[in-house]
Amino acid sequence: DIQMTQSPSTLSASVGDRVTITCRASQSISSWLAWYQQKPGKAPKLLIYQASTLESGVPSRFSGSGSGTEFTLTINSLQPDDFATYYCLQYNGYSWTFGQGTKVEIK
Amino acid sequence: EVQLVESGGGLVQPGGSLRLSCAVSGFTFSSYCMSWVRQAPGKGLEWVATIEQDGSEKYYVDSVKGRFTVSRDNAKNSLYLQMNSLRAEDTAVYYCARSPYQRLLGRYYYYMDVWGKGTTVTVSS
Repeated sequence: DIQMTQSPSTLSASVGDRVTITCRASQSISSWLAWYQQKPGKAPKLLIYQASTLESGVPSRFSGSGSGTEFTLTINSLQPDDFATYYCLQYNGYSWTFGQGTKVEIK
Repeated sequence: EVQLVESGGGLVQPGGSLRLSCAVSGFTFSSYCMSWVRQAPGKGLEWVATIEQDGSEKYYVDSVKGRFTVSRDNAKNSLYLQMNSLRAEDTAVYYCARSPYQRLLGRYYYYMDVWGKGTTVTVSS
């Protein structure tokens, strides 16, 4: 099974900061990676799929990059609504794996 | 508007059974693969099961194989998860999610785009 290692687990940042979260796959997953945002008590929300394709309606300050085994989610100019937990998901095949999550906290 | 509404969660004793349902609306259910994802209290997301559009193929995480069964009724726009031999570690919020595909070189790659609000399953004596 493919393992996903996400870092950092917690990130403290201020409004207006640029934030980067990393996911590493235990083997190549090409570009089959998605990113989700989850707020407490709510369902996850899809932000990006196929590593870099922005889901419709998601603000352009979110961007994704990477391929193979290393991927990043970048949030440019962090907004108050962006404080949440972020997860990556690999979907290369018929066994899906999430990263452990990154909580973005207010500094 | 696309909607997914889970139901059927509750408190069950270890070794017991529950059947979760997910009623969908706002899209052509039979055209989409569907998935169940769970989240234990204070923990991250864990994929549980996925079923293809016509129900012909089903996929499970190893920890639920032989205990959980995913199914669907395309005529009723509904997804189900039959959970047997429940354990304390199955305690979680269970989400159903729509799983659109991307196709490349004859292979299909399914991710999750729209999610329900979840239903809570507690396994405890």
